[in-house]
This record gives sequence, structure tokens and C-alpha cells, in this order.
Amino acid sequence: DQQVKQNSPSLSVQEGRISILNCDYTNSMFDYFLWYKKYPAEGPTFLISISSIKDKNEDGRFTVFLNKSAKHLSLHIVPSQPGDSAVYFCAASAITGGFKTIFGAGTRLFVKA
Amino acid sequence: GAGVSQSPSNKVTEKGKDVELRCDPISGHTALYWYRQSLGQGLEFLIYFQGNSAPDKSGLPSDRFSAERTGGSVSTLTIQRTQQEDSAVYLCASSPRLGTQYFGPGTRLTVL
Repeated sequence: DQQVKQNSPSLSVQEGRISILNCDYTNSMFDYFLWYKKYPAEGPTFLISISSIKDKNEDGRFTVFLNKSAKHLSLHIVPSQPGDSAVYFCAASAITGGFKTIFGAGTRLFVKA
Repeated sequence: GAGVSQSPSNKVTEKGKDVELRCDPISGHTALYWYRQSLGQGLEFLIYFQGNSAPDKSGLPSDRFSAERTGGSVSTLTIQRTQQEDSAVYLCASSPRLGTQYFGPGTRLTVL
């Protein structure tokens, strides 16, 4: 039972354009969502997060949008840069679940120069 | 550097042997997690520790897997009688609070 789903295993985008990575979840108890970025041979690193009381959070080139009614969130990167090429993981947690966090399968982003 | 460290970075073992993987979390972080990532797969939750509470072991795939966290700091993940399907990158993360987790570089386990 995949509670957090990233249905696109990969995405290819031209440098300078927008990258949109999508994530769907099934558990309505999730109230905190995060995006992590992972380069090969390294552990994931935190990128940006959003609380369920918000529908948008922006940090520089990265913006996360949350649509609670659709149980959907997305990460927008604009403008995309070749250094953004990595695997992006969506993750979700619930206060009632303590610190447990569920990760999606990841989307590999390729940004072409 | 006060990040999360893991050892060894690579481990090759024979089927049926036991292995121990170590994680040193960031000092002061009360939560510690273990995940594994098999080839081409996402992050699979294994277990997490939060302070002195009983660990959440709901992600451990079988009773061959166990983990302990001594003194609220260092953690060891033990896999007994390893199988080829245990081959994966095992990632440890720590967190000061609900939300952001800080990951170590992982241990790549190969079971021959």
C-alpha cells in the first residue's frame, strides 16, 4: 500500500525552463510534506517543506504547492539548471504518527544544457 | 563536520552471514531512522527511534532484521543470515523534530 506516490520515474527538461515534479498521497492524516534531493552515492538532502495549513511555500527557485482536496503536491523549479539533475523524493508525515515519514519512489530529473 | 556518519561505506558479504551496520547521528537529535533503497527503488522505511520511546519497527521486512540505539545516540542495524535480496543501500537519518531529516551517505550492502 503506497501511501505516497510519485508516478513519473523520470523527467527531462531544458535548462532555463520550469521543472514540475508531482506527488500524490492517500493518507488524509498527513500534515507535513517534504521534498528531498539525492545525488548518486550520497544521502538525500532536504530541499523544501510545507505544512498542511498552507497551500504554497517558496524558497528561491523552488516552490511547493499543496492541494489538500486532491491529496496532491508538486515541486516547481524555475529556472531549471543542469545542477538540479538528481532524484527528487516526496515525503509525508503525520503528527499523530510521531516522527515516522513515508517516502515516495522518487523522480529522476534530467536538466539538459 | 557534525553530519550523520555511517560505517562501513561498503560491505560485501556471503549469503548466510550476519552483518552489522553502524550509524552515528547528529549530536542532540532525538529521532533516528533507518531506510533502505534497493536498486531502482525508492526509500523503504525500516525502523525509527524517538528518544526513550519504544522504537517503531513496523518497516522491518523480517525477523532477521533488528536494530538498537544505545544511549540515545549510536545505532546499529543487524541483519542475520543475509540473503541476496538484502542487497541495497542502507541509509540512516536523524532529526531534531518532526519534519526535516538529515541523512548519512549510506552503506552499500552486497550479498553474494
